Amino acid sequence: AQSVAQPEDQVNVAEGNPLTVKCTYSVSGNPYLFWYVQYPNRGLQFLLKYITGDNLVKGSYGFEAEFNKSQTSFHLKKPSALVSDSALYFCAVRDARYSSASKIIFGSGTRLSIRP
Amino acid sequence: DVKVTQSSRYLVKRTGEKVFLECVQDMDHENMFWYRQDPGLGLRLIYFSYDVKMKEKGDIPEGYSVSREKKERFSLILESASTNQTSMYLCASSSTGIQFFGPGTRLTVL
Repeated sequence: AQSVAQPEDQVNVAEGNPLTVKCTYSVSGNPYLFWYVQYPNRGLQFLLKYITGDNLVKGSYGFEAEFNKSQTSFHLKKPSALVSDSALYFCAVRDARYSSASKIIFGSGTRLSIRP
Repeated sequence: DVKVTQSSRYLVKRTGEKVFLECVQDMDHENMFWYRQDPGLGLRLIYFSYDVKMKEKGDIPEGYSVSREKKERFSLILESASTNQTSMYLCASSSTGIQFFGPGTRLTVL
């Protein structure tokens, strides 16, 4: 069975500081991993994905994520936070054995709050 | 850019009413999905479809049905709305694995 855990409901960071939003996953096969962001009163937007290759994946708005197979983690990071990064972030996973038509599993979400 | 549209941003219905939520995508994607989003629970998959007239149950299909008569349109139906179906409903479409989401419909059942 697939599962995703986002252990922090909320992360608070001062503007200009680095940020990390944590995600761990569980799949039987190899994982396809995703991060999505949801700004207030809007749908989810795709940020980045890991399929294969380099463990450090770069995405939109200066975000990056590091795939760690031994720790089954895919933490989202940004070197310098902006107030505009404040949003709800979702990690998601799909088992690579299944086609793109199959479902992906989303975490419960982490609310990121950046204070000026 | 992929565009996924949902028929309503806000909807208020009464218990027992039949409710239709419509979703349309303009990128010829094979796959479409309906989720509900509730605080602390993340996104939970209700139904998905990988082709016209094809549908698969997600994790919480009870109380819902779907229809996909055309490739671009995926409808979610609440046969008899109940108060525990008050939620944010999100539609998504995909072809390569990345899902593109609509803006959501916030449904309140009184």
